[in-house]
Order: sequence, then structure tokens, then C-alpha cells
Amino acid sequence: GEDVEQSLFLSVREGDSSVINCTYTDSSSTYLYWYKQEPGAGLQLLTYIFSNMDMKQDQRLTVLLNKKDKHLSLRIADTQTGDSAIYFCAEKSTGDDKIIFGKGTRLHILP
Amino acid sequence: DAGVTQSPTHLIKTRGQQVTLRCSPISGHKSVSWYQQVLGQGPQFIFQYYEKEERGRGNFPDRFSARQFPNYSSELNVNALLLGDSALYLCASSPWGADSPLHFGNGTRLTVT
Repeated sequence: GEDVEQSLFLSVREGDSSVINCTYTDSSSTYLYWYKQEPGAGLQLLTYIFSNMDMKQDQRLTVLLNKKDKHLSLRIADTQTGDSAIYFCAEKSTGDDKIIFGKGTRLHILP
Repeated sequence: DAGVTQSPTHLIKTRGQQVTLRCSPISGHKSVSWYQQVLGQGPQFIFQYYEKEERGRGNFPDRFSARQFPNYSSELNVNALLLGDSALYLCASSPWGADSPLHFGNGTRLTVT
């Protein structure tokens, strides 16, 4: 069935780049998303990519998609303390009603 | 513009009771989806509504029901509450449904004792 996997924790020093990785199983996925969740809050849509794209850049965020390996990554340049949160990878198939989320990667920023 | 708003923010109920959660979508958004997020997990899909019609349902028991009103707001109802229903319930809206990104509210934290 459909599944999205991501590592649970990542620690990065302030100012360095963070790279959060995700793999998915549904070969018919057409949309792939990154959401951010801060403590006690809902999910904030950070960025998304269509499956016919390899890369998308938006300010400090870069999304890379390897469709052959079903691998998605989110790079955050110049990581700041405000980036400390849980990051969810999610995928969706065309015409499907639901988004499948991973369990989230908790990003911890070291001083 | 206001984002997705949900009420109440927190709720405590007893096993066997019923609960109604409310959601107002972003202005102009016609689709509303509901997700359940258990602590330490990613959100799980419960329902999607578009133009007041149910478009999708996740793997949840019939105790869970929802509806969408003419103004596109939505309610999620859960009957005969179980301890395992304790979770953050997230509402999301999107402009046109199936192939548009979801924008989430801050959720309703439901605790069942």
C-alpha cells in the first residue's frame, strides 16, 4: 500500500544547511509536499513539487525529487533557531482525495 | 486574509460521549478535509468534502461523520468516544479539491478520559 518514510530526528548547527529526506512507495504520486509543524500548532505548507519536476527552489528552501528512486528531500539553507520544528513529507496521487503523510522529522538546532 | 479556523481549540470528553468539531475554510476555498493526528504520528485522512458532497473517506469507523454547509464551513462528529480517539483533529481547506494544496488550521485537541 501507500507509505511515506522519513527519519525521525535531525540535529543541525545554526547556520549550516539541513537536509531532510523522505521516500515514498506510490509510483502514481503526482504531488509531493513538505509541511512544517511547530509545537501546539497546525501544519504549515512550506512547498510542494509536481512529479514531473526535478527541483524547486524557494528562498532558503530547495526541494529535490528523484522519481526513479521515489526519493524526496528538503534542504534548508542557513538554518535558524526558528526552523526548529517537525517536518512532514506527504504525497498525493492524481484525483485521489487524501494526502499520505510520513511520521515527521524533528529538526533540532544546535547553537 | 484569515486562515483556516477551528473551534474549539481544546476539548475534554468522557468515553461514550459525542463531540462536534467545527471548521471555517479560507475565504474562497470550496473543499474541506479532516485529518486525525495522534501524538508522534503524521496526520491520517478522515474525510474530504467538496461543494457540500463527500468526495473521500479514510479508514475510520462509522462513528465518525462529517458534513459541509452552504457557506463551505464543516463539522466533524464523533459518536461513542473511545480513549483512542484522543488526538489533534486538523481541518484543511483547498480552493478546488482533489489536486490543490491543503492549508491547515491549528487543530482541535481532543482528550477522551
